[in-house]
Amino acid sequence: RKEVEQDPGPFNVPEGATVAFNCTYSNSASQSFFWYRQDCRKEPKLLMSVYSSGNEDGRFTAQLNRASQYISLLIRDSKLSDSATYLCVVKGISNYQLIWGAGTKLIIKP
Amino acid sequence: GAGVSQSPSNKVTEKGKDVELRCDPISGHTALYWYRQSLGQGLEFLIYFQGNSAPDKSGLPSDRFSAERTGGSVSTLTIQRTQQEDSAVYLCASSPEGGRGEQYFGPGTRLTVT
Repeated sequence: RKEVEQDPGPFNVPEGATVAFNCTYSNSASQSFFWYRQDCRKEPKLLMSVYSSGNEDGRFTAQLNRASQYISLLIRDSKLSDSATYLCVVKGISNYQLIWGAGTKLIIKP
Repeated sequence: GAGVSQSPSNKVTEKGKDVELRCDPISGHTALYWYRQSLGQGLEFLIYFQGNSAPDKSGLPSDRFSAERTGGSVSTLTIQRTQQEDSAVYLCASSPEGGRGEQYFGPGTRLTVT
């Protein structure tokens, strides 16, 4: 089993819709979680950290479910510019290593 | 300010040749990471540098891979006797310090071994 697993998609979603995807992680001791965004043939960029209580940044909401060992990302009122691959990232056992999911591809259609 | 830069942006090399990839981190960032990303895959950790500490080389896939960081700034990743399976995008990231989830990536070097 991979340490961080994501549905590769693609998720094809009409503009303005709400979309959500999950990511599961295997190490129950993991403490820190993040969502990164990667545009086609570009480098990853941090979208948001995921806090235990859940957190929101504009149209984006991240949730953590420790009991089931997954994190989620919800995007409301999706825009064409949201089309990208969303990478789930979990801090590894060491203090500095990040474990990266393979990403979920999102395509927003007009 | 200037972000992370990498060179070259693209490199095509013949199997068996050596290649050297360069990373210039954000000034003042003490932590530097090298990753490899194959098509449709997640990032694979290669090596981590933190200040003057000994690097964590646990992710290097074979002894053909090596990396150094001079003066706590610029880093080079060297692949000797390249193989076709080395073809990937090599990404460098820096962070103000180790242990932070926020990493700033360079644009990557796309390596193709023919």
